[in-house]
Amino acid sequence: DAGITQSPRYKITETGRQVTLMCHQTWSHSYMFWYRQDLGHGLRLIYYSAAADITDKGEVPDGYVVSRSKTENFPLTLESATRSQTSVYFCASSESPGKVAKNIQYFGAGTRLSVL
Amino acid sequence: GQQLNQSPQSMFIQEGEDVSMNCTSSSIFNTWLWYKQEPGEGPVLLIALYKAGELTSNGRLTAQFGITRKDSFLNISASIPSDVGIYFCAGWTGNNNDMRFGAGTRLTVKP
Repeated sequence: DAGITQSPRYKITETGRQVTLMCHQTWSHSYMFWYRQDLGHGLRLIYYSAAADITDKGEVPDGYVVSRSKTENFPLTLESATRSQTSVYFCASSESPGKVAKNIQYFGAGTRLSVL
Repeated sequence: GQQLNQSPQSMFIQEGEDVSMNCTSSSIFNTWLWYKQEPGEGPVLLIALYKAGELTSNGRLTAQFGITRKDSFLNISASIPSDVGIYFCAGWTGNNNDMRFGAGTRLTVKP
């Protein structure tokens, strides 16, 4: 199906383990984003990517690594998970954030991550 | 970046009532978006606004882009149980990656 999909939907891991969250979009959108959602904070930007091989930090990048070797995929890796990284993670994509009416971000269903 | 001030944080209303929520900021925005998030799902776009003063409807939902460009309002008329969820505002400053989000308004509708 067309759209933006995230996997896994749920993940439980232990402190210190490496975890990778996957994001795939079929719209050929240039921009992709990773957010975390925590109570009282709304959505906070972790990393974003303007195109394949171009990534940049958002508001809360510490402890996370991203890559974008293909336009359609934008995985997020927690290199050594900590309890403070327990959250719901959303991936989003956008056609062209720099252009009005093309800057709408479309979201995946999210990954609920628990770090024990 | 600074998040948007969204209020109220939560609302408990009776089916059939009208609902109003808003987002404010000290910054100017070029685009305002309103999303709805249902339990276990990602935010889904409801309404997009692109001009100061613009008033746009989507069924029972109406949103307005504030004249000052620093705020936006969402109204839901004649609420129904399926309106339950969290409503988020988002504002785009005009810079490429600078989309800011409100913390959400959690709406509960009692049948």
